[in-house]
Amino acid sequence: DGGITQSPKYLFRKEGQNVTLSCEQNLNHDAMYWYRQDPGQGLRLIYYSQIVNDFQKGDIAEGYSVSREKKESFPLTVTSAQKNPTAFYLCASSIGTGGFISEKLFFGSGTQLSVL
Amino acid sequence: AQKVTQAQTEISVVEKEDVTLDCVYETRDTTYYLFWYKQPPSGELVFLIRRNSFDEQNEISGRYSWNFQKSTSSFNFTITASQVVDSAVYFCALSEANAGGTSYGKLTFGQGTILTVHP
Repeated sequence: DGGITQSPKYLFRKEGQNVTLSCEQNLNHDAMYWYRQDPGQGLRLIYYSQIVNDFQKGDIAEGYSVSREKKESFPLTVTSAQKNPTAFYLCASSIGTGGFISEKLFFGSGTQLSVL
Repeated sequence: AQKVTQAQTEISVVEKEDVTLDCVYETRDTTYYLFWYKQPPSGELVFLIRRNSFDEQNEISGRYSWNFQKSTSSFNFTITASQVVDSAVYFCALSEANAGGTSYGKLTFGQGTILTVHP
């Protein structure tokens, strides 16, 4: 079945540690996104990528980094500079055709990150 | 800046009741897109509907219907004859459009409304 796979489902981070959240899609989508969900605040965009080897900052990129070396993969690293990393992280993708981006997003099932 | 407000944090209904989820948005764009997504307990968001700013027709899909009113900047969602399986968090979202009129995947989300349908 086609879809988006996020791993792990739960992740714990120690003080000063970098952690990486995995996102893989087999939908052959060009565009991928990372959103952060906090209780009562909805979702906020961290980074997005419209094509391989290219990505842009979203609204809350500070303390995060990404890479897009393969079309299928868009890992998110939460660095030690992110002082409040506890949240639910959602990866999404969309088709993206000829430089335009499809508006319908397909989401993974998320990763809950907590600080020890 | 774009903003989406879902004033109802939580709604609780009994099965078979009708329920309306409110969504009010703010944008300076003349071309934009509005969405509703459902987040069941499993966590992933599921797309429900997309509407562009030039299409104010209401839409009905089974027990779901949407009322888009540009004059009041609202895009409300109604579930008729609610069922327990409708229990989820529902998000309204807004997206800017590029010059070609196609939406990016960069969405501004509302805070979400937690809907609980009791048997």
